[in-house]
Amino acid sequence: DSGVTQTPKHLITATGQRVTLRCSPRSGDLSVYWYQQSLDQGLQFLIQYYNGEERAKGNILERFSAQQFPDLHSELNLSSLELGDSALYFCASSPRGLGEGEQYFGPGTRLTVT
Amino acid sequence: TQLLEQSPQFLSIQEGENLTVYCNSSSVFSSLQWYRQEPGEGPVLLVTVVTGGEVKKLKRLTFQFGDARKDSSLHITAAQPGDTGLYLCAGAGKTSYDKVIFGPGTSLSVIP
Repeated sequence: DSGVTQTPKHLITATGQRVTLRCSPRSGDLSVYWYQQSLDQGLQFLIQYYNGEERAKGNILERFSAQQFPDLHSELNLSSLELGDSALYFCASSPRGLGEGEQYFGPGTRLTVT
Repeated sequence: TQLLEQSPQFLSIQEGENLTVYCNSSSVFSSLQWYRQEPGEGPVLLVTVVTGGEVKKLKRLTFQFGDARKDSSLHITAAQPGDTGLYLCAGAGKTSYDKVIFGPGTSLSVIP
């Protein structure tokens, strides 16, 4: 158990819908990272927050957004969902932050768009 | 653009065999991590290497960081079925604003 929690574990929704994925980092970790993993794309970095502020962006679509709250939990919002958004979404946290390679991953949310 | 390449992409071996997987880049990293991921689960951090030429051992796993800090290798001795999984390397940039880059992974299958 990494100490990072993600909810829900599974999510099935229809195209065009909007969903919110939730992540609670390890106690004391200030950085939260979001990743998308599909079979053909590997682990793709989406976005990073550090102590409530956006710090780095990866290949995140404009239909996706995220935020980190004062209690350091984070949410990833996915809207106007398409079939191609079906993937595993991971959240990771790290103690120090920025550009930090040592990350602790949650169990993931498996999103299926039908 | 920083890229990490891993080889081989897939590896299937018999229990008890030795193997080495590689992680290569043209970029210099301040540190490099290895993770193992099992199907449907999140990656689990195995090790961090920081110094060029550094060697770290974790039971039957030996990790080496290249002298120029651009590449790394993972050697597994006497592989066991429990070693099966996706091995990912990740590189951290030189500044605190650099994104961490993940390689595509090596999928290892150890057959009993």
